[in-house]
Amino acid sequence: GQQVMQIPQYQHVQEGEDFTTYCNSSTTLSNIQWYKQRPGGHPVFLIQLVKSGEVKKQKRLTFQFGEAKKNSSLHITATQTTDVGTYFCAGPGATDSWGKLQFGAGTQVVVTP
Amino acid sequence: GAGVSQTPSNKVTEKGKYVELRCDPISGHTALYWYRQSLGQGPEFLIYFQGTGAADDSGLPNDRFFAVRPEGSVSTLKIQRTERGDSAVYLCASSLVRNTEAFFGQGTRLTVV
Repeated sequence: GQQVMQIPQYQHVQEGEDFTTYCNSSTTLSNIQWYKQRPGGHPVFLIQLVKSGEVKKQKRLTFQFGEAKKNSSLHITATQTTDVGTYFCAGPGATDSWGKLQFGAGTQVVVTP
Repeated sequence: GAGVSQTPSNKVTEKGKYVELRCDPISGHTALYWYRQSLGQGPEFLIYFQGTGAADDSGLPNDRFFAVRPEGSVSTLKIQRTERGDSAVYLCASSLVRNTEAFFGQGTRLTVV
């Protein structure tokens, strides 16, 4: 079945630095969503990408969907302490029902002031 | 209500007992999802409903798990003969239509002792 892998598993960042986290699927994705989960909280939707090669920006966050629709990335610039949390990518495989979001294991982000 | 509501927030049960977990989605949302999340892992898909019907239940681990949404609103996840391995946080989410921004509830932490 489809597998969604995220790297790195952990990301320690100095406040003010930039970093990128990556999401790779074993199969083509219909679309991809990104969620953020704060410690002790629930996942909160960030964005959805649908088109091959799509790039979307939200303030300091830049999301990309790969040309082959099998990978995605999240780049955060000038990291702040409010960026602490675990970032998940999720998507239905091309042959999955559209409601079946498969989540990666997430990238846990720790920010050092 | 303003968001997705899940009850109870915590449930401790003895091995072999039956439990019911309730989810109250955002009013008007036609799609409803159940996930479970273990520590350090991403949410694991269980089932999703479109209206009253289970559109995809391929994530239910075995026949001890069952979910209903009889009137297309509130949903109940039912687990029979609970096992210690069922211990996890059970998350419910809803979206306006399938595969759009999903709003998660705070989850029910199930502990089987």
